[in-house]
Amino acid sequence: EVQLVESGGDLVQPGGSLRLSCAASGFTFSDHYMDWVRQAPGKGLEWVGRIRDKTNSYTTEYAASVKGRFTISRDASKNSLYVQMKSLKTEDTAVYYCARVCSGGSCYSKEGTFDYWGQGTLVTVSS
Amino acid sequence: DIVMTQSPDSLAVSLGERATINCKSSQSVLYSSNNKNYLAWYQQKPGQPPKLLIYWASIRESGVPDRFSGSGSGTDFTLTISSLQAEDVAVYYCQQYYRTPITFGQGTRLEIK
Repeated sequence: EVQLVESGGDLVQPGGSLRLSCAASGFTFSDHYMDWVRQAPGKGLEWVGRIRDKTNSYTTEYAASVKGRFTISRDASKNSLYVQMKSLKTEDTAVYYCARVCSGGSCYSKEGTFDYWGQGTLVTVSS
Repeated sequence: DIVMTQSPDSLAVSLGERATINCKSSQSVLYSSNNKNYLAWYQQKPGQPPKLLIYWASIRESGVPDRFSGSGSGTDFTLTISSLQAEDVAVYYCQQYYRTPITFGQGTRLEIK
């Protein structure tokens, strides 16, 4: 069974830093792109960024709203995904979800979709 | 960036009746080399993460009831629930995965009338 479990959400002051983690299990982690998506309280979904698989050299992409402040990484030995967030702003307050991106193999038929999501972790940026 | 616009923002439908949600993209999400529309629909219930319902604009995800259907091509898409059930109360989002940045519609809140 595929599972994604986020952790690390907390209350942090504006200008502060925080690292979120996402523990993956039940699938070959290194074969899939992984994304972060966030949702501000009462608002819609906003894509944060992506890290590709080993075949694609673990390259990353970011939303304009977080580029230069957030860094996505992954550790294949721990089957874990991370996002390091710095210079946090009040508008970064949101539930942060990690999502598996269907990428090749058994997922080929729906490649590119977000087929599994974690339950999310809440980040609150406030003084 | 590809902007996704859903209509309406909210919708109230009687149990057993049809619900229709529209989604328009600012650019075509049809990839000509494989004739696939890179458009997905997600359902989000309160306190839960989004759940994939439809991909390639019209393919139901495994386990999704057949009362859910998707249609459209290019820039205009529709999600239809043929006979609304109580458990379908949720917010529905369209998403383009044609290119990054991945973008979502603003969401449509579906309620029971």
